[in-house]
Amino acid sequence: AQSVSQHNHHVILSEAASLELGCNYSYGGTVNLFWYVQYPGQHLQLLLKYFSGDPLVKGIKGFEAEFIKSKFSFNLRKPSVQWSDTAEYFCAVVTGGGNKLTFGTGTQLKVEL
Amino acid sequence: DTAVSQTPKYLVTQMGNDKSIKCEQNLGHDTMYWYKQDSKKFLKIMFSYNNKELIINETVPNRFSPKSPDKAHLNLHINSLELGDSAVYFCASSQDIGGFGTEAFFGQGTRLTVV
Repeated sequence: AQSVSQHNHHVILSEAASLELGCNYSYGGTVNLFWYVQYPGQHLQLLLKYFSGDPLVKGIKGFEAEFIKSKFSFNLRKPSVQWSDTAEYFCAVVTGGGNKLTFGTGTQLKVEL
Repeated sequence: DTAVSQTPKYLVTQMGNDKSIKCEQNLGHDTMYWYKQDSKKFLKIMFSYNNKELIINETVPNRFSPKSPDKAHLNLHINSLELGDSAVYFCASSQDIGGFGTEAFFGQGTRLTVV
């Protein structure tokens, strides 16, 4: 069964710092990859997704992620974070032929002024 | 227009009670899901339905019974509530089974507190 690992559980950054959140998945076949964000007290919103093609995908609010198939990774990046980026970030995977979205354990990001 | 809507948003109830959470999507999607988010924010799938048919039942206690009257609705009924059922429950929908090739849209969540 597929699984997703997010290695950073809590990240604290100052405004304008660069962000990289790690995500690794375990599945050897075709995958769809997602990053969702959950702002405090709110529902999950899609930041970006990878289905196929260019492995560097750009999402909303200046986020991007790079799919590296050889490393089974889909790390999330942002060059300069803002206080409003404080939220929980979830990496998720759906496998080809699979029937469910599997989430990582989440990374809590706190951006300090 | 809310794409996936759940009611209620908050639910506080006593142990042993029976409660329901309703979910509706207006996206025309074929597949709907229930996810449970525990106190550590871990999200785990509970059920999925495709066109009213149960696709996934992830070893959830049989006190939890999903009901899908049509493909736009997926309700969750919980019998004999226990303290450990306290969590946030998210409903979601996607066009295809499992969301492959598409994305899942989530409702705002229902925070269930069992006292």
